[in-house]
Amino acid sequence: EVQLLESGGGLVQPGGSLRLSCAASGFTFNRYAMTWVRQAPGKGLEWVSTFGDTGGSTYYADSVKGRFTISRDNSKNTLYLQMNSLRVEDTAVYYCAKATLGTNTPADCWGQGTLVTVSS
Amino acid sequence: DIVMTQSPDSLAVSLGERATINCKSSQNILYSSNNKNYLVWYQQKPGQPPKLLIYWASTRGSGVPDRFSGSGSGTDFTLTISSLQAEDVAVYYCQQYYTTPFTFGPGTKVHIK
Repeated sequence: EVQLLESGGGLVQPGGSLRLSCAASGFTFNRYAMTWVRQAPGKGLEWVSTFGDTGGSTYYADSVKGRFTISRDNSKNTLYLQMNSLRVEDTAVYYCAKATLGTNTPADCWGQGTLVTVSS
Repeated sequence: DIVMTQSPDSLAVSLGERATINCKSSQNILYSSNNKNYLVWYQQKPGQPPKLLIYWASTRGSGVPDRFSGSGSGTDFTLTISSLQAEDVAVYYCQQYYTTPFTFGPGTKVHIK
């Protein structure tokens, strides 16, 4: 059974940093692109970043480019999101999602999410 | 960036009746080399992560009931629930995965009339 378990969320002040982790199991992790999607309280879904399936390609939403870094450790079956220079508007539940296969495929499995609150 | 719009914002349907949600992309998301539309539909219930319903615009996900169907091509797409059940109350999102940023529509809330 595919499982994705996010961790690392919490309360942080504006300008601070957090690192989210997503522990994956139940599939061959290194064969699939992986994505972070966030959802602000009461709002819709926003694509944040994708780590592609080949060549280490990474992709970011303009709203996080230069502040967030996606990475993965295939030996640990774990996806990460390093978030720096956090802003109040980054407050959201952050979901980790597994792609159906490559970069340009939909997410077919999602974690339960981890809440990030940016507030002073 | 490709902008995704959905209509209506909210939809009230009687149990057993048909629900239809529309999604429009600002650019063509049909890739001519493989004739696939890079469009997915998700269902999200309160307090839960999204669940994949339909991908490639018209292919049902694993375990998705056949009352859910997707259609359309190019820039105009539709999600249809043929006979609404109580457990279908949710917000439905379309998303394009043709090119980054992989943008979502704003969502359509479906509830019981």
